[in-house]
Amino acid sequence: GQQLNQSPQSMFIQEGEDVSMNCTSSSIFNTWLWYKQDPGEGPVLLIALYKAGELTSNGRLTAQFGITRKDSFLNISASIPSDVGIYFCAGPYMDSNYQLIWGAGTKLIIKP
Amino acid sequence: NAGVTQTPKFQVLKTGQSMTLQCAQDMNHEYMSWYRQDPGMGLRLIHYSVGAGITDQGEVPNGYNVSRSTTEDFPLRLLSAAPSQTSVYFCASSRTSGSSGANVLTFGAGSRLTVL
Repeated sequence: GQQLNQSPQSMFIQEGEDVSMNCTSSSIFNTWLWYKQDPGEGPVLLIALYKAGELTSNGRLTAQFGITRKDSFLNISASIPSDVGIYFCAGPYMDSNYQLIWGAGTKLIIKP
Repeated sequence: NAGVTQTPKFQVLKTGQSMTLQCAQDMNHEYMSWYRQDPGMGLRLIHYSVGAGITDQGEVPNGYNVSRSTTEDFPLRLLSAAPSQTSVYFCASSRTSGSSGANVLTFGAGSRLTVL
């Protein structure tokens, strides 16, 4: 079945560093979504991508829809303490409008 | 604007007990859904609804029931709780429109359930 593989599983970074994470699949997706979950909260949508090759920014966050439609990337520039949390990629399950499949998440931790 | 409200926030059950997790949204969203989140596994869809009176199964529906009698409410019922249902449960809602379907989800804060 469809699966989304996120990497890395976790990241320890210094404040001010740039961060990169990615999400890959063996099947094609027509939409890629990036959500962030703060501790004790539900996920919040960061960026939605709808077209292969699309590059979209939201403040210090930039996400790209891979040209093969089998991957997506999220970059965070100049990380700050409030960036800690779990970042999830998600996409429509079997092209459904109503079912999403989710990656396992990338946990971002800022080194003290 | 409250968004998506889930109750209770925490619950401990014994195996075999039943309970209902409540979810209410005040955004007039057509789409509502329930997910469970387990460590290292991301979120998995349990059930969803595209409108009052319409429900459908997601990836992991066994052991759970839902109903949608109003646009605002979408309760999740566990009829006979099992330890495998220990998890954090999230309710989420969305408009259903255009090519984006129900992708732009607004989540509740979660309900942590422990089944002993």
